[in-house]
Amino acid sequence: EVQLVESGGGLVQPGRSLRLSCEASGFIFDDYAMHWVRQVPGKGLEWVSHISWNGGGIGYADSVKGRFTISRDNAKNSLSLQMNSLRVEDTALYYCAKGGRKCTGCAFDIWGQGTMVTVSS
Amino acid sequence: QSALTQPPSASGSPGQSVTISCTGTSSDVGGYKYVSWYQQHPGKAPKLMIYEVSKWPSGVPDRFSGSKSGNTASLTVSGLQAEDEADYYCSSYAGSNSVVFGGGTKVTVL
Repeated sequence: EVQLVESGGGLVQPGRSLRLSCEASGFIFDDYAMHWVRQVPGKGLEWVSHISWNGGGIGYADSVKGRFTISRDNAKNSLSLQMNSLRVEDTALYYCAKGGRKCTGCAFDIWGQGTMVTVSS
Repeated sequence: QSALTQPPSASGSPGQSVTISCTGTSSDVGGYKYVSWYQQHPGKAPKLMIYEVSKWPSGVPDRFSGSKSGNTASLTVSGLQAEDEADYYCSSYAGSNSVVFGGGTKVTVL
């Protein structure tokens, strides 16, 4: 079964850091681009970051550029998101999503269940 | 990276059709074939319904169809069923390793 499981969310104070992880199973992880997408409860989806199958292509939303860093460990079938200088407006449910096979713009066909990040003092 | 524009709501009676628009620019929707549509039920993760403008992932009924003209993409749900009541989001590749979503449309089955 193709599956993505996020972890690492929690309550953190503004200005602090948090690292999210996503464990993948059921597919050849290093063939596929991966993404992070977030959603404020009750609001819409916001794309956060992308990393290509081999890590050679990376992109960020303007809202997180310079603060968040995406990475992947293909040997461990895992995706990470290092979030620094967190702001209240970063509070959201963070989803890990599987992109296309060696395709940057392809759709997200598998999503995890999300991990909640709450930034509050 | 401006969000794509979707109507906030749409509705139809069972058996009818509803069409949702998704308007972007030549830098996203109009410039690439990578337009996708996602369905999200309350408390659930999004589900891919349409990819590359008009293609169906395995298991998605052909009642869902997609199209694009210029900078506007559309999702049509034909033969509306109660289980189609959900939020729908469009997305597009926007170049330079970036993706943009629409604001979402709540579809109500009357």
